[in-house]
Amino acid sequence: GAGVSQSPSNKVTEKGKDVELRCDPISGHTALYWYRQSLGQGLEFLIYFQGNSAPDKSGLPSDRFSAERTGGSVSTLTIQRTQQEDSAVYLCASSLVRGAKNIQYFGAGTRLSVL
Amino acid sequence: DQQVKQNSPSLSVQEGRISILNCDYTNSMFDYFLWYKKYPAEGPTFLISISSIKDKNEDGRFTVFLNKSAKHLSLHIVPSQPGDSAVYFCAASDSGSARQLTFGSGTQLTVLP
Repeated sequence: GAGVSQSPSNKVTEKGKDVELRCDPISGHTALYWYRQSLGQGLEFLIYFQGNSAPDKSGLPSDRFSAERTGGSVSTLTIQRTQQEDSAVYLCASSLVRGAKNIQYFGAGTRLSVL
Repeated sequence: DQQVKQNSPSLSVQEGRISILNCDYTNSMFDYFLWYKKYPAEGPTFLISISSIKDKNEDGRFTVFLNKSAKHLSLHIVPSQPGDSAVYFCAASDSGSARQLTFGSGTQLTVLP
């Protein structure tokens, strides 16, 4: 597709379960980002992948959160032993970074609800 | 500590009038600024950006102004249309860092017909 694709669009899970969220970036974009948006808040940075470099994990809120990007394309965000405070919309973005210009294009997000 | 602040959670304007959305930042390392628009149940959509070497960038009805000394930027929409009703996020990045965007908390714009 032409844009960033995320799946599932909605996920309801029970506290303590693991979840996997998928992101398919725009073809050719070298950079991929995960953010989350809690109710009434701005977007909070989680993790960033750029080419073959080691990912920047500085935004991950705990060691229950992890992400990988296979083959420089599709990325999976995994949350282990989910907690109610993990409930949020998880947004993925990709970009083709050119100098200082970094326009990120977002998917529609995955709405995660932890019961 | 919020590095990008949008102090107005909401704004209402009449159709045809100017909408002015404001954003302040504290990190002097930020050198690229963006505005995104977000409709419910959709991801943010890029609207317009500005580099720190400029003080104004215009694209159709949308103009972004940057005042580096005041660490302030604003988005002007003129004339405002009902379809502009959305949440607007200001974002900033530091090209010397890991390139994630730092977002404000957003302003809900409502354009009244």
